[in-house]
Amino acid sequence: QAQLVQSGAEVKKPGASVRISCKASGYTFSSHPIHWVRQAPGQSLEWVGWVNTGNDNRKYSQTLQGRVTITRDRSASTVYMDLSSLRSEDTAVYYCARGGDTRFGEYWFDPWGQGTLVTVSS
Amino acid sequence: EIVLTQSPGTLSLSPGERATLSCRASQSVSSDYLVWYQQKPGQAPRLLIYGASNRATGIPDRFSGSGSGTDFTLTINRLEPEDFAMYYCQQYDMSLWTFGQGTKVEIK
Repeated sequence: QAQLVQSGAEVKKPGASVRISCKASGYTFSSHPIHWVRQAPGQSLEWVGWVNTGNDNRKYSQTLQGRVTITRDRSASTVYMDLSSLRSEDTAVYYCARGGDTRFGEYWFDPWGQGTLVTVSS
Repeated sequence: EIVLTQSPGTLSLSPGERATLSCRASQSVSSDYLVWYQQKPGQAPRLLIYGASNRATGIPDRFSGSGSGTDFTLTINRLEPEDFAMYYCQQYDMSLWTFGQGTKVEIK
């Protein structure tokens, strides 16, 4: 069945950048978008952005626009999220999740990756 | 941006009781766009309900969703020990997705 496996935890200093990967398996990679969602400690979920793995279209949350970039490598069935100019407020668990096809009314995320903890600390 | 407000923040109930969770939107949301997730500590969220009322694959029928417009409800009948968790609603609007702040269902 569909599965998403993310890269491991990261510790970064303020101002640095981080790249997290999300490898998909068990389904046709280009048939579903991949979303990124983050969750700060003890907080709710925050949508970060998504990439259409077929045509490479992307959209980002206004909060992170300009600092986040999502890319995909179809040959490796992998999506990457880059976040730059890191701040302490970026400390969170970052999840990737497979999206549905919104053309067919599929607006949910399923399944999710296991999460990657990014800690920003001096 | 549509804001989702979930209530109550915490629900303290005993196994076997019914849980009623509310998700209110700041403006009307299509039922097609309303989704519910369950999250347990240290785990990723799990899809429960999509399109406001459709159970995802493998979700027990004690979970049900309802509502329309700005008011949506997740009901859990006969709480099982494994149902004590956080629950989040999510909506889609103009290529953006937002989540509610969550409701914690805890054991009384």
